[in-house]
Amino acid sequence: NAGVTQTPKFRVLKTGQSMTLLCAQDMNHEYMYWYRQDPGMGLRLIHYSVGEGTTAKGEVPDGYNVSRLKKQNFLLGLESAAPSQTSVYFCASSRTGFYGYTFGSGTRLTVV
Amino acid sequence: AQTVTQSQPEMSVQEAETVTLSCTYDTSESNYYLFWYKQPPSRQMILVIRQEAYKQQNATENRFSVNFQKAAKSFSLKISDSQLGDTAMYFCAFMEETSGSRLTFGEGTQLTVNP
Repeated sequence: NAGVTQTPKFRVLKTGQSMTLLCAQDMNHEYMYWYRQDPGMGLRLIHYSVGEGTTAKGEVPDGYNVSRLKKQNFLLGLESAAPSQTSVYFCASSRTGFYGYTFGSGTRLTVV
Repeated sequence: AQTVTQSQPEMSVQEAETVTLSCTYDTSESNYYLFWYKQPPSRQMILVIRQEAYKQQNATENRFSVNFQKAAKSFSLKISDSQLGDTAMYFCAFMEETSGSRLTFGEGTQLTVNP
């Protein structure tokens, strides 16, 4: 009963490097989300998906891309990392959002 | 755009006492959902309690209860008999029924329970 699994848990990137964060859920949830958490700003939505093959922009999508090729996986990509993308990233999923989300344990990303 | 405001960045309470965390939100919708999430030092996000706007009765989960004032757009969290394990960051979150299940979070309140 893994729930939502995020990999990696920690990563340090150099400015301009690219990387992909992987989110996997085993609950057959339709909805998946990527948030970033910064001090004093709560969690802000980057991108989300309402089903396999769909993606949509959230509040802070610039500099990120996503894909949902399989229902259980939601990938977040950074094409050219910038120091402003230093943050903690959370993935979440839900059956419908009205019952609340199940969150992954987060990825701490530092861009130097 | 919907907004959620938590005006108390930090709060502290003595063990076994009661504490109330404040949250206000802004929306023009009539149907929506409100949540409180807890984030302990482990960083894991944990759903504490949930309230549906069309239900007048305040939600309760064991020691956690809410005071939902729809007209005032207020959604406070009361923690009774505070325990050391309640020390965490608490986030208020809001979801409009027409939003595609997107949650909007407040800035968070860091609660410390002192022995």
